[in-house]
Amino acid sequence: KNEVEQSPQNLTAQEGEFITINCSYSVGISALHWLQQHPGGGIVSLFMLSSGKKKHGRLIATINIQEKHSSLHITASHPRDSAVYICAVEQDTGNQFYFGTGTSLTVIP
Amino acid sequence: DTGVSQNPRHKITKRGQNVTFRCDPISEHNRLYWYRQTLGQGPEFLTYFQNEAQLEKSRLLSDRFSAERPKGSFSTLEIQRTEQGDSAMYLCASSRVPRDTQETQYFGPGTRLLVL
Repeated sequence: KNEVEQSPQNLTAQEGEFITINCSYSVGISALHWLQQHPGGGIVSLFMLSSGKKKHGRLIATINIQEKHSSLHITASHPRDSAVYICAVEQDTGNQFYFGTGTSLTVIP
Repeated sequence: DTGVSQNPRHKITKRGQNVTFRCDPISEHNRLYWYRQTLGQGPEFLTYFQNEAQLEKSRLLSDRFSAERPKGSFSTLEIQRTEQGDSAMYLCASSRVPRDTQETQYFGPGTRLLVL
């Protein structure tokens, strides 16, 4: 049983499309993270959320604590957005982190 | 470059050998995390330190694994008697507590381990 589930697992989009990646979790959390991992392994932290919505450039992250669900949106997608996007949650007891398996995004010019 | 460095970047070893990895976090960061990532999977939490204290260990961390952060700065992760199933990317991340609203964990480039 995975504490964090992401969908879709793979996503291909045309440049300019609006993209949504979903994350559901089953544990109580103190924070949810969206991470971006490029080929070669480097991981970049995009957002940390505990409630509501955050926006950074073309990226928007939302979280619904009651429904235990978060979404990552990319507006006007670009080929450089191609990467694996990982949802991770920090459990509110014990400080354990649980990660989703990632969504592999490919944006085609 | 996030400011977190890991060495070595790659390690190939024979089954049964011991290996040690090093992580140098961002200097003012008091928290340091170790994760393991196998191909096609998300990272798995292994352990974390606040300063020199190891506060949490995952059940994934068997007796063959040990981590230290003796002076609250760099950390080492040692795997004894390596097994082929230990082959993975070992990631280190650091953060500052209390956290800024935007800054979370900064990840190093990882050490890729292959056990033959």
